[in-house]
Amino acid sequence: GENVEQHPSTLSVQEGDSAVIKCTYSDSASNYFPWYKQELGKRPQLIIDIRSNVGEKKDQRIAVTLNKTAKHFSLHITETQPEDSAVYFCALTSSGTYKYIFGTGTRLKVLA
Amino acid sequence: NAGVTQTPKFQVLKTGQSMTLQCAQDMNHEYMSWYRQDPGMGLRLIHYSVGAGITDQGEVPNGYNVSRSTTEDFPLRLLSAAPSQTSVYFCASSSRQGVYSPLHFGNGTRLTVT
Repeated sequence: GENVEQHPSTLSVQEGDSAVIKCTYSDSASNYFPWYKQELGKRPQLIIDIRSNVGEKKDQRIAVTLNKTAKHFSLHITETQPEDSAVYFCALTSSGTYKYIFGTGTRLKVLA
Repeated sequence: NAGVTQTPKFQVLKTGQSMTLQCAQDMNHEYMSWYRQDPGMGLRLIHYSVGAGITDQGEVPNGYNVSRSTTEDFPLRLLSAAPSQTSVYFCASSSRQGVYSPLHFGNGTRLTVT
């Protein structure tokens, strides 16, 4: 079945620095790639998503890039703040299946 | 709208006991699914449904049953609980109006099997 590899598993950055999380997939039929943020003890919540016909999408301090040829997509957070500390999950799905497969998560710590 | 509602929030079972985790959504979403979350394992799909009367297995279906008699409800049944089923369980739903429909998660059920 479809598999998503997410790296790194943990990431520590200084406040104000940038953070990048990368996910790699194998099924070329995948065409929707959301990212979720999960704070401690809370449910995952969507923060940004990208469709397969788009290479990059930005929303204030966060952006997602997609390289369909290499089959990877990345989350970029600029000017990190302590409230960005959480676990981030990448996910993907494809038309017709509606099955969402998740990466194993990245624990981001922003050090003040 | 309440969104996706899961009950109970916490549950402790003894090995061999059975129980049902409840999930209800009020967004008229066709797609509903169950995930379990374990440390370092991310969110793994247990079962999912694309509409009333239709269910299918995910990555880790063994030991769990589901049914979908209505659009709103998607209960998850543990037939004979085992310590390996200790986990946090999330129910999630999305619309089938387009493939670009994000998942909406419930608040989760923390299950401990002793």
